[in-house]
Amino acid sequence: QLQLQESGPGLVKPSETLSLTCTVSGGSISSSSYYWGWIRQPPGKGLEWIGSIYYSGSTYYNPSLKSRVTISVDTSKNQFSLNLSSVTAADTAVYYCARHATVTTYFAWFDPWGQGTLVTVSS
Amino acid sequence: DIQMTQSPSSLSASVGDRVTITCRASQGISNYLAWFQQKPGKAPKSLIYTASSLQSGVPSKFSGSGSGTDFTLTISSLQPEDFATYYCQQYNSYPITFGQGTRLEIK
Repeated sequence: QLQLQESGPGLVKPSETLSLTCTVSGGSISSSSYYWGWIRQPPGKGLEWIGSIYYSGSTYYNPSLKSRVTISVDTSKNQFSLNLSSVTAADTAVYYCARHATVTTYFAWFDPWGQGTLVTVSS
Repeated sequence: DIQMTQSPSSLSASVGDRVTITCRASQGISNYLAWFQQKPGKAPKSLIYTASSLQSGVPSKFSGSGSGTDFTLTISSLQPEDFATYYCQQYNSYPITFGQGTRLEIK
């Protein structure tokens, strides 16, 4: 059964870079032709797609965040990572990693999801 | 970007009721729509994809319909575990977008 687990600091200072990693278990990123994505949810609010990466490294980013987002993949560790630069309090959210549910295409729903990790931006 | 608008934003219902939640897209998305259930402190869980296909393991009390711009999620015979927040997601166009959510509460 495929499982995803987010990890990273729970507290980031304003203007710094938020860095999170998603570790995939129960399946291989490199041998499966899926896109892998990051989604966030500010406290008490809705879901926002951040960006996605293919196992080969090609990426899609949300235009609203594109200037600050970098997503990378490390197939040797079966992980993919999110960097969000110049963070402010508005970036405080639960960050989820998830797999796009259909092979070879970005245009898919998300399934499964990681459990999520809360990142707070505060000095 | 395609805007996804859910209605109502919140809904009160009783155990045993049948409820319907609506999701409207700002432009046509064919049937590239999914529905998710989210309980407090948990990740969203996929229920429906391609507007009406039931995700494996999801009970048949959940059903979806629609195409183009207007979609519905219907939940029959509500049980206590069904009270949660529900989100729609379009994946027809870049960027992927979600509805703002519908909170289903016990009356």
